[in-house]
Amino acid sequence: KNEVEQSPQNLTAQEGEFITINCSYSVGISALHWLQQHPGGGIVSLFMLSSGKKKHGRLIATINIQEKHSSLHITASHPRDSAVYICAVLSSGSARQLTFGSGTQLTVLP
Amino acid sequence: KAGVTQTPRYLIKTRGQQVTLSCSPISGHRSVSWYQQTPGQGLQFLFEYFSETQRNKGNFPGRFSGRQFSNSRSEMNVSTLELGDSALYLCASSLMEGRGTEAFFGQGTRLTVV
Repeated sequence: KNEVEQSPQNLTAQEGEFITINCSYSVGISALHWLQQHPGGGIVSLFMLSSGKKKHGRLIATINIQEKHSSLHITASHPRDSAVYICAVLSSGSARQLTFGSGTQLTVLP
Repeated sequence: KAGVTQTPRYLIKTRGQQVTLSCSPISGHRSVSWYQQTPGQGLQFLFEYFSETQRNKGNFPGRFSGRQFSNSRSEMNVSTLELGDSALYLCASSLMEGRGTEAFFGQGTRLTVV
């Protein structure tokens, strides 16, 4: 079992829909990142969370430390949101390294 | 302020050769981490450098090495290239070593080994 599991793997939505991507992890963490990767490879860090909820524009990220679960929500989705969304956790042990989920390919249709 | 810069963006090498990739972090950032992304394995941690010292290393063979200079710029080297080394190599910089500091990623170097 992977330490970081994301669902769904693929998601197709119509423009304007509310989208949720889920991330579950099995290790103790000090922080969780949500990343966005567009075709061509560059990665943008969307959020870094250690508790609670963060909001940036149409994006909302939540984390429940007790349940080892995080969600990324996109409100009023737009075709430009189409990308791969990746959850990554920073373990709470002495090693500082990110462990990544396999990503969710989001396609938003006009 | 300039972001994380990786050079070159694309590279084609022959099996058995060696390659050096470069990463210039955001000004003032002292921590640089390297990651490999392949279709089969996804993103995997290679190593992290802080103040010219390797702080952490992922589960990769010794053919993968790196270093960090006094200006925080980092290079990674892969020797005796194998076809399986074809991947997108990403680096990320952080202000400090330690947990809880946000990482900023570069655009990556796409390496193709033929």
